[in-house]
Amino acid sequence: QVQLVQSEAEVKKPGASLKVSCKASGYTFTDYYIHWVRQAPGQGLEWMGWINPNSGGTNYAQKFQGRVAMTRETSISTAYMELSRLRSDDTAVYYCARNRGPPYDSSGYYFDYWGQGTLVTVSS
Amino acid sequence: DIQMTQSPSTLSASVGDRVTITCRASQSISSWLAWYQQKPGKAPKLLIYKASTLESGVPSRFSGSGSGTEFTLTISSLQPDDFATYYCQQYNSYSRMYSFGQGTKLEIK
Repeated sequence: QVQLVQSEAEVKKPGASLKVSCKASGYTFTDYYIHWVRQAPGQGLEWMGWINPNSGGTNYAQKFQGRVAMTRETSISTAYMELSRLRSDDTAVYYCARNRGPPYDSSGYYFDYWGQGTLVTVSS
Repeated sequence: DIQMTQSPSTLSASVGDRVTITCRASQSISSWLAWYQQKPGKAPKLLIYKASTLESGVPSRFSGSGSGTEFTLTISSLQPDDFATYYCQQYNSYSRMYSFGQGTKLEIK
């Protein structure tokens, strides 16, 4: 069965960097894009960007460009999201999620499997 | 960026009611729209994709419609398990970017 398992919760100081991992299993890792979505406490969902695990290509939401980097390690079926220059308003649960279908499949531009979420707290 | 606006933000209803949630896009997104259900402390769950296609395993009381800029999610007869927050999500085929609506919290009346 498809699973996305994320790294544990973290506490960071303002100005620091964060790296969250997302380990995939139960499918061919390189066949489906991985996305990162965050949710601040009591707030809605915010899409951050995607990575193509096959090519390493990425696409980031404008809000995060210059501060986020999404990478992957195909040998261990793991995607990573690194966010730098953390601020208190980066406090959120960070989710990884998988595209429902392979690239350019018309039913694929949605998120069918999600990680369990990683709580990141930014506080001095 | 395409902005998604959901209405209402909060909806109070009773078991057995028929409810509709609306999502409007700031520009046409064809049928590149999905609906998710999220319960507290849990990841979102995909309900509907391509505006009107029911995800496997999702009860048939959920349905979606619309295209272009206006979309709706309808629950035909509310069940106790349906009280949750619902989000729409769009895909922009030009920029290959995504975004979510701000959410609609469905509460028990």
